[in-house]
Amino acid sequence: EVQLVESGGGLVQPGRSLKLSCAASGFTFSNYYMAWVRQAPKKGLEWVATISTSGSRTYYPDSVKGRFTISRDNAKSSLYLQMNSLKSEDTATYYCARHAGLGGLFDYWGQGVMVTVSS
Amino acid sequence: DVQMTQSPSNLAASPGESVSINCKASKSISKYLAWYQQKPGKANKLLIYSGSTLQSGTPSRFSGSGSGTDFTLTIRNLEPEDFGLYYCQQHNEYPYTFGAGTKLELK
Repeated sequence: EVQLVESGGGLVQPGRSLKLSCAASGFTFSNYYMAWVRQAPKKGLEWVATISTSGSRTYYPDSVKGRFTISRDNAKSSLYLQMNSLKSEDTATYYCARHAGLGGLFDYWGQGVMVTVSS
Repeated sequence: DVQMTQSPSNLAASPGESVSINCKASKSISKYLAWYQQKPGKANKLLIYSGSTLQSGTPSRFSGSGSGTDFTLTIRNLEPEDFGLYYCQQHNEYPYTFGAGTKLELK
């Protein structure tokens, strides 16, 4: 059974940093692109980052480019999201998601972890 | 970026009825449109991709249609477990973008 379990969320002040983790199990982690998707309170879903199987390629939308860094450790079946210079608009539930084989699809999701950016 | 416009934002129906949710892309995305279901306490679920292909495990009462800019998710013979939030997403190009969601409620 595929499982994705996020951790590392919490309350953080604007301008500070936070690192999220996602522990994957139930599949060969190193064979899949992985992603982070977020959802602000009472809002829709927003794709945040994608990383290739080896970690050599990463992709971001303009809203987080230069502030967020996605990374992975295939030996530990773990995905990470380093978030710097956090803003109030980054407040959201962050989901770890597995890319399906076909491009930008997300076939498995974690339950999410809440990040609140507030002073 | 491709903007995804979903309608309606809210929908009320009864078990056994059929409903349709629409999604419009700001430019052509060919067939590359996915639908997800979101329910409290559960992981988001991929239902349909490439416009009309059912993900493994998706019941046959769900169907998707459309191409280019206009797409529709249809749920026939609604079951109690179908009530929740539905999102469309274009998986044609970066940045991947989602619609604002449709809340399907029990009438």
